Amino acid sequence: LAKTTQPISMDSYEGQEVNITCSHNNIATNDYITWYQQFPSQGPRFIIQGYKTKVTNEVASLFIPADRKSSTLSLPRVSLSDTAVYYCLVGDMGTGGFKTIFGAGTRLFVKA
Amino acid sequence: EPEVTQTPSHQVTQMGQEVILRCVPISNHLYFYWYRQILGQKVEFLVSFYNNEISEKSEIFDDQFSVERPDGSNFTLKIRSTKLEDSAMYFCASGHRTSGDTDTQYFGPGTRLTVL
Repeated sequence: LAKTTQPISMDSYEGQEVNITCSHNNIATNDYITWYQQFPSQGPRFIIQGYKTKVTNEVASLFIPADRKSSTLSLPRVSLSDTAVYYCLVGDMGTGGFKTIFGAGTRLFVKA
Repeated sequence: EPEVTQTPSHQVTQMGQEVILRCVPISNHLYFYWYRQILGQKVEFLVSFYNNEISEKSEIFDDQFSVERPDGSNFTLKIRSTKLEDSAMYFCASGHRTSGDTDTQYFGPGTRLTVL
């Protein structure tokens, strides 16, 4: 499983765009990149997933350069409720399940 | 929107006792997982389950732990003889294979286990 590296914490203000970058230098050909969000005392929540280039959904965008050794989660116009821990995960299904390894994640603090 | 449910929300037990944590995954999912999170620490993978058998497990998932899917809807985690260090939030997740060779996992709200 590819190891991921993210900033430990980030601060932002309401209304700003936030970009969280994850490094995964040893990403394998079959690996996908997935981001989860976790609020205190809740389970992680899927945000977005991609393999290459750019993926966008209703909550975020994911930018993946051609070499796939990093990825950037972009949250447009954050609000106070986006304060959470954001995890970047890299891997594939294997033979019958996804051995999901969470790193320490990035703690995002959104201020008023 | 379908969701993963877990019961109980909080379980208090004495050291050495057996506990069973229950989960109802999303109905059309085929992959099931248990994770734990000790207070203030990261989410740790315990086990994945597919086609009625364990597909992956971590070093945390030793002989004290077992999982079962006793019927078509429930997925349980049993800890045979709890230790103080088993105190944590336990999350169940279920997933389905996406268009590529990976999955999207949906997590339940968790069961907080306190071992006294």
